Amino acid sequence: GAGVSQSPSNKVTEKGKDVELRCDPISGHTALYWYRQSLGQGLEFLIYFQGNSAPDKSGLPSDRFSAERTGGSVSTLTIQRTQQEDSAVYLCASSFNNSPLHFGNGTRLTVT
Amino acid sequence: GENVEQHPSTLSVQEGDSAVIKCTYSDSASNYFPWYKQELGKGPQLIIDIRSNVGEKKDQRIAVTLNKTAKHFSLHITETQPEDSAVYFCAASMGGYQKVTFGTGTKLQVIP
Repeated sequence: GAGVSQSPSNKVTEKGKDVELRCDPISGHTALYWYRQSLGQGLEFLIYFQGNSAPDKSGLPSDRFSAERTGGSVSTLTIQRTQQEDSAVYLCASSFNNSPLHFGNGTRLTVT
Repeated sequence: GENVEQHPSTLSVQEGDSAVIKCTYSDSASNYFPWYKQELGKGPQLIIDIRSNVGEKKDQRIAVTLNKTAKHFSLHITETQPEDSAVYFCAASMGGYQKVTFGTGTKLQVIP
């Protein structure tokens, strides 16, 4: 079946603009994660959705970052008033009942 | 919350030699330990995992060991090949629908 799909694959935006990144998880997966990976760095946890529970937002770096998950499926990560330090690859992953995480290929965000 | 440490951050080996990557975790309640391989431009992909009721698991050239008492686990790659060159991440989870916590990654370079 289809894997985790992220769009766009690349996004270039000007400093101060808002961006939306989309994640389509694998059908039936109840858990959805967003991670940020700066160049050559590890996986920085941002936010975690599990079913209908309140999301774990403990990794969001500032109030400019927000995410939602509609209907328990598609998720959107929004970054408002982007800064150059937001430039990174944003990875989405989904899983079901502690099965291994399935990652998308990420969105590479460049803020100029 | 869980904290996972991973060493080394970079590792260079000659083709045919073995490579070992080590991780420690902090929460004794963690019971699921996956390893992911990330190739350039792609999301991490699961290569092997182990649960706390076993001490070792092997899949061809890859093996993982777990020491619950010491709270550490390791990835062993034998007969390394150039295509093994990638970034490897360890992770830990408390099972069920609990959040997965990743290590900081190891960049493995296999020199032909």
